[in-house]
Amino acid sequence: AQRVTQPEKLLSVFKGAPVELKCNYSYSGSPELFWYVQYSRQRLQLLLRHISRESIKGFTADLNKGETSFHLKKPFAQEEDSAMYYCALRVPGNTPLVFGKGTRLSVIA
Amino acid sequence: EPEVTQTPSHQVTQMGQEVILRCVPISNHLYFYWYRQILGQKVEFLVSFYNNEISEKSEIFDDQFSVERPDGSNFTLKIRSTKLEDSAMYFCASAPGPEAFFGQGTRLTVV
Repeated sequence: AQRVTQPEKLLSVFKGAPVELKCNYSYSGSPELFWYVQYSRQRLQLLLRHISRESIKGFTADLNKGETSFHLKKPFAQEEDSAMYYCALRVPGNTPLVFGKGTRLSVIA
Repeated sequence: EPEVTQTPSHQVTQMGQEVILRCVPISNHLYFYWYRQILGQKVEFLVSFYNNEISEKSEIFDDQFSVERPDGSNFTLKIRSTKLEDSAMYFCASAPGPEAFFGQGTRLTVV
């Protein structure tokens, strides 16, 4: 079965510092990978997906098939980045998302 | 911008009672999902629905649960004979394709 691992439950960084939220997955094929974000009292929303290879709000994530990782990075954290971040995987096709446990990012002024 | 909406935002029910959680997906989406998140745990898949039938369900989604799309717009999750361990945040999502759009969730508290 597919599994998504986010090893850090909480990550605290200072404003302006680089951020890396780790995500590893287990799946033998080529998955679709996503990062979802949940700001305080708001719904889960898509931050980015590996297929689009774009940068959203300064965040990027690169799929590393060799390491089965999809870490989320931002060079300079902002206070408004404080939120829960969930890495998710989907087996190609219209299959449901499998989520990691999430990492709470706290950006300290 | 269209959104998935869920009602109620918070539901408190007594153990053994039945609850219905409601969702209005985004209108042109074809795929619908229910997920739940027990406090402090990860978001777990319950069931997916496509073309008016269940397309996939998890081990959690046993006979206690059922889903319906009664009128072409609402998408409901019914939980029969609720247990304390059913207390969780329940999220509905709809999708036109790979990207899923989530509702704000219903917090279910079973007492």
